[in-house]
Amino acid sequence: GAVVSQHPSRVICKSGTSVKIECRSLDFQATTMFWYRQFPKQSLMLMATSNEGSKATYEQGVEKDKFLINHASLTLSTLTVTSAHPEDSSFYICSARDPSRTYNEQFFGPGTRLTVL
Amino acid sequence: DAKTTQPTSMDCAEGRAANLPCNHSTISGNEYVYWYRQIHSQGPQYIIHGLKNNETNEMASLIITEDRKSSTLILPHATLRDTAVYYCIVRVFPYSGAGSYQLTFGKGTKLSVIP
Repeated sequence: GAVVSQHPSRVICKSGTSVKIECRSLDFQATTMFWYRQFPKQSLMLMATSNEGSKATYEQGVEKDKFLINHASLTLSTLTVTSAHPEDSSFYICSARDPSRTYNEQFFGPGTRLTVL
Repeated sequence: DAKTTQPTSMDCAEGRAANLPCNHSTISGNEYVYWYRQIHSQGPQYIIHGLKNNETNEMASLIITEDRKSSTLILPHATLRDTAVYYCIVRVFPYSGAGSYQLTFGKGTKLSVIP
């Protein structure tokens, strides 16, 4: 299957700082990427959908000014958590859609563990 | 997308078949059943999908009832590496025009494979 990477895999930061997470599709061009958040012992919750070259679509309750998403190329999307606070500590997972595939078209990254002190 | 119901947790002895049920009684005719799994602290991994026929691949088999209101994922010979949370997701065929590419994850079933 196609490969999606995330960087960093783990980040610890102080409250009030901004953190950038990168999501890359390594062997395909992703027209659409998705960002999820997962709190401990809970399921994945979709935060936003980003299409290359256009503004991201955020799910209800997700602050677009706090979670900045940039999808400037077909292989890279970034999520920036601005002014992070301890309640933003979570496991952030991206997925990327390979438009050349018909059914199993979405591939997930390994996730980024964010801890805000 | 149709809502799914799965047991919270299941145990399976190593080497035995793991049968994970999923109820999707409100599924529509153009909705597919997808299964993903998530090993602890990793991203989800696609397992298999189907519409109405039973499906098999190198990872698992998917049995869908004739009325399509429920399905069972079968891992024929479970290993310790199969310990994970298994998600059953029902969604419209992405290219139908009426659906989206989003995947909506429920709580899933935590499968523990025991030595």
